[in-house]
Amino acid sequence: AQSVTQPDIHITVSEGASLELRCNYSYGATPYLFWYVQSPGQGLQLLLKYFSGDTLVQGIKGFEAEFKRSQSSFNLRKPSVHWSDAAEYFCAVRGGSYIPTFGRGTSLIVHP
Amino acid sequence: DAGITQSPRYKITETGRQVTLMCHQTWSHSYMFWYRQDLGHGLRLIYYSAAADITDKGEVPDGYVVSRSKTENFPLTLESATRSQTSVYFCASSEKGTSGYNEQFFGPGTRLTVL
Repeated sequence: AQSVTQPDIHITVSEGASLELRCNYSYGATPYLFWYVQSPGQGLQLLLKYFSGDTLVQGIKGFEAEFKRSQSSFNLRKPSVHWSDAAEYFCAVRGGSYIPTFGRGTSLIVHP
Repeated sequence: DAGITQSPRYKITETGRQVTLMCHQTWSHSYMFWYRQDLGHGLRLIYYSAAADITDKGEVPDGYVVSRSKTENFPLTLESATRSQTSVYFCASSEKGTSGYNEQFFGPGTRLTVL
């Protein structure tokens, strides 16, 4: 079985500050891992994905994520947050089936 | 338009009425999904489909019916709407490409209110 945990329901940062959103997964092998972003009133958009190769993955909008097998984590980072990054962020894991499991989401609030 | 679309974007209905939410994708993706999104629950899978005429229940299927007679369409029907079905509904699709990622592509959502 696969599962994913996003420990933080809300994260508040100041514009220009760095950001790290946490994601922990559970799966017997290396799963497919994804981060999605949902802006208010919109559907989810893929930020980045990982399965193998370089453990630091670059995505769109200046985001990156690092896969750490020893910690079963796939944390999302951004060095400098912009006000437009305020959104809901979802981590997802997919193992052997074609159905991913999504985390509950982390709401990012950006203060000016 | 290319991509995945949902209609209507907003719907208000009354308890007991039948409602159908439409989903259409232009990529010919094999897999399609319906989710509902509620505060505190994240995304919950209602139904999914691996191909035309192949559908299966997800986590919260009660009160919903789906069909998939064509690859590109995946309508979701609430046979007798209840207030607990007030939610935002998202359709998604995915395809198994050579990379194997099967990442999902989401529609813009339908906000349904049941009075």
